Amino acid sequence: DIVMTQTPLSSPVILGQPASISCRSSQSLVHSDGRTYLSWLHQRPGQPPRLLIYEISNRLSGVPDRFSGSGTGTDFTLKISRVEAEDVGVYYCMQATQAPITFGGGTKVEIK
Amino acid sequence: EVQLVESGGGLLQPGGSLRLSCAASGFTFSNHWMHWVRQAPGKELVWVSLINNDGSSTTYADSVKGRFTISRDNAKNTLYLEMNSLRAEDTAVYYCVRDNSAAYWGQGTLVTVSS
Repeated sequence: DIVMTQTPLSSPVILGQPASISCRSSQSLVHSDGRTYLSWLHQRPGQPPRLLIYEISNRLSGVPDRFSGSGTGTDFTLKISRVEAEDVGVYYCMQATQAPITFGGGTKVEIK
Repeated sequence: EVQLVESGGGLLQPGGSLRLSCAASGFTFSNHWMHWVRQAPGKELVWVSLINNDGSSTTYADSVKGRFTISRDNAKNTLYLEMNSLRAEDTAVYYCVRDNSAAYWGQGTLVTVSS
């Protein structure tokens, strides 16, 4: 199985300041179809995860543009340009390039 | 509107059995592969099982292989997870998830295995 490693484990952030989360996969996430199935999800306490970004950098409809994804191959980053109070929670990267789907360990974003 | 609603969770003793259900609506259920993903309290997301759109192919995480069975009834738009020989480490919220996009998740159902 592909192992997804996220850093940091926790990210205390000042409101209005940027935040960045890294995700590294144990092997390339480029599928044989040429696409890279790396997604980012956000989970608030007591809620199911919510998809934010798919295929590295595509925001789901309704996701604010302060969220952006980037990366290639095995190294990926989620950036929040200016953290708002509603952004707290745990962020997970997820790969669907190779079965089974696997998730990173999560990064907790909290307000400093 | 796409909806996934899990049910069937509860408290049971080690060695017990349980069947979870996930009722789907708002989309053509028979067109989509479905996953079960679980999350132990305070822990990360872990994939459990996958079934293809017509139910002819299934896969499982090693931790549940031989104990859990995923199935679906496309006529009833419902996904199932039959769980046997339950262990304390199976305690988790179980989510049904629509296909590899992971764009749609249910609210989850809590399974607690404890003596």
